[in-house]
This record gives sequence, C-alpha cells and structure tokens, in this order.
Amino acid sequence: AQTVTQSQPEMSVQEAETVTLSCTYDTSESDYYLFWYKQPPSRQMILVIRQEAYKQQNATENRFSVNFQKAAKSFSLKISDSQLGDAAMYFCAYRTTGANSKLTFGKGITLSVRP
Amino acid sequence: NAGVTQTPKFQVLKTGQSMTLQCAQDMNHNSMYWYRQDPGMGLRLIYYSASEGTTDKGEVPNGYNVSRLNKREFSLRLESAAPSQTSVYFCASRRVGGETQYFGPGTRLLVL
Repeated sequence: AQTVTQSQPEMSVQEAETVTLSCTYDTSESDYYLFWYKQPPSRQMILVIRQEAYKQQNATENRFSVNFQKAAKSFSLKISDSQLGDAAMYFCAYRTTGANSKLTFGKGITLSVRP
Repeated sequence: NAGVTQTPKFQVLKTGQSMTLQCAQDMNHNSMYWYRQDPGMGLRLIYYSASEGTTDKGEVPNGYNVSRLNKREFSLRLESAAPSQTSVYFCASRRVGGETQYFGPGTRLLVL
C-alpha cells in the first residue's frame, strides 16, 4: 500500500522568507501523481501544485515550487517570499494513474508565518 | 459553476441518531469521493464512486453507507451515529482522466 509521510507537524517562517515543507512517499509504481494541498482556517482544500512522476522538470506555480526526487521518493514544497496568507495546514498527497485510483494523504503540516 | 457543494455545513447529533450528508457537483465529473478529517490524521477515504452506479469501500468504511444517486450526487449516510464519527467530512470529485480532485467546503459533524 502506498503511504505518504510528512514528518514535521509544524513549521514557522518569517514573512518574506523562504520555507520548505518535506514529504516522502512509498510506492512500487513508476507512474503516479503528487500534489500539495493548502487548507486555510476556512477548511477549504485548495490545490497548490501538482507533479507528474514521468516529468523530470519540477513543477512551479508563482511563489510555489517543488523539489521532486523520484529515486529518493521525496516531494518537498518550497514557498518563496512567504506571505501572511500562506499560513495554513499543508497536505502532501499521492495518486496512482488509472480510473479507480485514489488519493492518499499525509498527516499534514501546520505552517505559521511571523509578521 | 458552484463546483462541489455539501450540506449541511454543521450538524450536531446524539449517539444512535441517523443522518445523511449530501454532496453534489456540477462539473460533470465521473468519480466522487467521501473523506473524513481528524486532527493529526490527514484525510482518510471512506467510500468512493468511480462512476455512476458503482461504489467501493475506502480506508475507513465501517459505520457508513453511500449512495450514488446520479452522476451529480453522492450521499453519505450514518445509520447509527457514534462519538467516534465526530469529524469533518469532505466530498470531492474528479473527471475521467483528470489529474486533480476538487473538494467541497466540508461538513463539521459533532456526535454527542
């Protein structure tokens, strides 16, 4: 079974600084998808960024980028120029390809941003 | 497009009561999902429906039933609520071949 591990329950960053959130996963598949979701206090689950395993290039979305290390099964999220609105819980998730595939989530990390 | 909607937003139940959580999506997605979120546990899959007319168990199905009423709607039923079912429940959907699941706003359920 696939597992997703987020070993840091909490992190803190100074506004305008950069922070990296870690995620590792376990799978025997060669093709799959990885995601980072943000959950602010409103509880809405918001997709931040996704990565296809077959793509070697790391995904980027504005201030958000990932460091995808397929061999190490590592998928970290880097947030640059941190803003107060980035304070939230962040979940790493994994999904195989296929019509019946399902998301497996990590336990999440709470990010606080200091003004 | 409203996306994925869930009702109610918040509910308090007494142990042993029953209730149905409603979910609807207007994106013409085939697959729909129910998750529960508990502190320190992330989101865990309860049931899913890969297409209209099919449902399958997820990681934590005990104590729940689901109905895929049509392509738009996927409901989650608690027949006899227990305090252990106090949680936040999320519905999600995904189109065929799509990479991303889209989530509803969640239902907070408190069972006393």
